[in-house]
Order: sequence, then structure tokens, then C-alpha cells
Amino acid sequence: EPEVTQTPSHQVTQMGQEVILRCVPISNHLYFYWYRQILGQKVEFLVSFYNNEISEKSEIFDDQFSVERPDGSNFTLKIRSTKLEDSAMYFCASTQKTGRVETQYFGPGTRLLVL
Amino acid sequence: GDSVTQMEGPVTLSEEAFLTINCTYTATGYPSLFWYVQYPGEGLQLLLKATKADDKGSNKGFEATYRKETTSFHLEKGSVQVSDSAVYFCALRSGAQKLVFGQGTRLTINP
Repeated sequence: EPEVTQTPSHQVTQMGQEVILRCVPISNHLYFYWYRQILGQKVEFLVSFYNNEISEKSEIFDDQFSVERPDGSNFTLKIRSTKLEDSAMYFCASTQKTGRVETQYFGPGTRLLVL
Repeated sequence: GDSVTQMEGPVTLSEEAFLTINCTYTATGYPSLFWYVQYPGEGLQLLLKATKADDKGSNKGFEATYRKETTSFHLEKGSVQVSDSAVYFCALRSGAQKLVFGQGTRLTINP
């Protein structure tokens, strides 16, 4: 069964450093998402992406964050200058279509620790 | 804005016990409702979903019914197993693309 993959599974970085989290969505999916979960808190939406553009973003997704689909398979989340509060589990998700009934398929997550 | 509230965890049960995890929501419009499960060390997996009022989603012995009158989508299972130990997330999706999640409920089943 096709699945969403994410790399790395864990990343430790120093405050102020740039990190890039990578995702490979399911191959025929067209809509891509990033979510994050700070330890002990809710899973929160960050951004959605379609047709090489951001289609929706949350207030968390400020200028420090960016997303890109650099080729036909990868979908990346970049944090330019990490802060301690960016420590979280980051989940990528994808869907084939949009709409409220569509299931979003999630990757296993990248655990980011900012020191 | 849209929101989801789940019962506080953690929940600990013995094998073969009956499980209920409460979920209520606030949303504009007519959302779809989802239960996702996260097993240790893994990502979020869709467990079941319901897209309109009175729909019942079911999978792996779990069930949840979309109750518009009580704005609820409680997860139930008649007889839990040790392998059901995981974190369970209730979520909704209305007109926007994003999923809105509850805080998650950690379930531990003891043999």
C-alpha cells in the first residue's frame, strides 16, 4: 500500500540553525500538508500546498517557515532560524483531491529537537 | 473557529473491556469527522470517518456515529485488546483544507 515517507525520523539542531524536513507524498496525490505536534499538545495545522503554491497557512507559519516542492516527488518544510519552541514532531500529509470528505494520509513524522 | 474536544487521558483498561473515548466538536457548516490512531513510534493512521449526520464509521471493531444534535463523535469498541494501545485523535474537516485535531487520548490496555 502506498504511504507517505518522511526523513529524517529525528533531528537535533542548535537554536538559530536552518533545518529542512523532507517528505515524499503518495505518488498520485496533489495536495500536501504540514502539521506539527508539540509534546503533550494538539496536532496543529501549519500549511497546505497545491499546484506549487501555498493554499492555506496558519498563524504559526510565519516568515521563518517555507515550503517547497523541488521536484516531482519531494515536499519540504524549511525553518530558517530555529527557536527552542520549534521543538516538536512534524507530520507531512497528502491527499489526491481536496474537499472535506477526503482522507489525509500522514507520514510517520520527524521529531525535531532544538537546543 | 472550529475546535475538537476529547476526553482527558490517559485511559487504562483491562483486555476485553468496553471502550468509549468521548469527542465533541464545534464547527461552522457541516464538517466531516475522523478518528486517527497513532501506535508507538508510528505516524497518524486513519481509523474511521463519517461525512454526514447519523453516519457510522467503523473499522477493526471500532465504531463512531456522527451525532449532529449533540455535536459528538464518540469512539467505541466492545472488547479491547492489548494491541489497541495507542494514542487516539478525533479530528474534523469543514470547508477549509486543514484538519482540526483534538488533544489526543492515550489508551493503555493491560493483559
